[in-house]
Amino acid sequence: DNVMTQSPDSLAVSLGERATINCKSSQSVLYSSNNKNFLAWYQQKPGQPPKLLIYWASTRESGVPDRFSASGSETDFTLTISSLQAEDVAVYYCQQYHSLPLTFGGGTKVEIK
Amino acid sequence: EVHLVESGGGLVKPGGSLRLSCAASGFSFSYYTMNWVRQAPGKGLEWVACINSNANFIDYADSVKGRFTISRDNAKNSLYLQLNSLRAEDTGVYYCARDPGNILVLPAAIDAWGQGTSVIVSS
Repeated sequence: DNVMTQSPDSLAVSLGERATINCKSSQSVLYSSNNKNFLAWYQQKPGQPPKLLIYWASTRESGVPDRFSASGSETDFTLTISSLQAEDVAVYYCQQYHSLPLTFGGGTKVEIK
Repeated sequence: EVHLVESGGGLVKPGGSLRLSCAASGFSFSYYTMNWVRQAPGKGLEWVACINSNANFIDYADSVKGRFTISRDNAKNSLYLQLNSLRAEDTGVYYCARDPGNILVLPAAIDAWGQGTSVIVSS
């Protein structure tokens, strides 16, 4: 299985400041035939299902604010919230869809400092 | 608008069974790979099973293989998960989730989730 490891487990950031979350996969999620990284980021607020933020490692889902950006390739990925807003308080998960079983990172809880 | 509505959860004793359902609307259900993903209380997300559009490809997490069965009825726009031989560690919220890709050729990120149905396995 492709194990996804996120860091940190939690972070507290002041409003308007930058939040950075890391995700490492135990195997590459880059598919050479189309040069795409099969990596997604989700946001989950309390009592709600996850919401897709980013797919193909760096493509924002329609409607996602541009303060959310992501980068990385093969095994190392980053999600950045450039200017944290109160509504961004949530748990964020990375997930690989390169191979079955689909696997998720353990989650990173983002709070306001 | 895409809607996925799960039902069928509840309290069941260890060793018992449940059948979860997911009613889909707002999209052409028969064209999509579907998944079940679960979340134990206070824990992260765990993929459970997937089924492709015409049900000729199915896969399960090792933790549920041989106990759970995923199925679909495209005529009814519905996805199912039969849970047998339930254990305490199966407790959690079960989400129905849509994969807009082709699991066999070009999988995609899950782009739609239901609100989930709660399964509690306890004596």
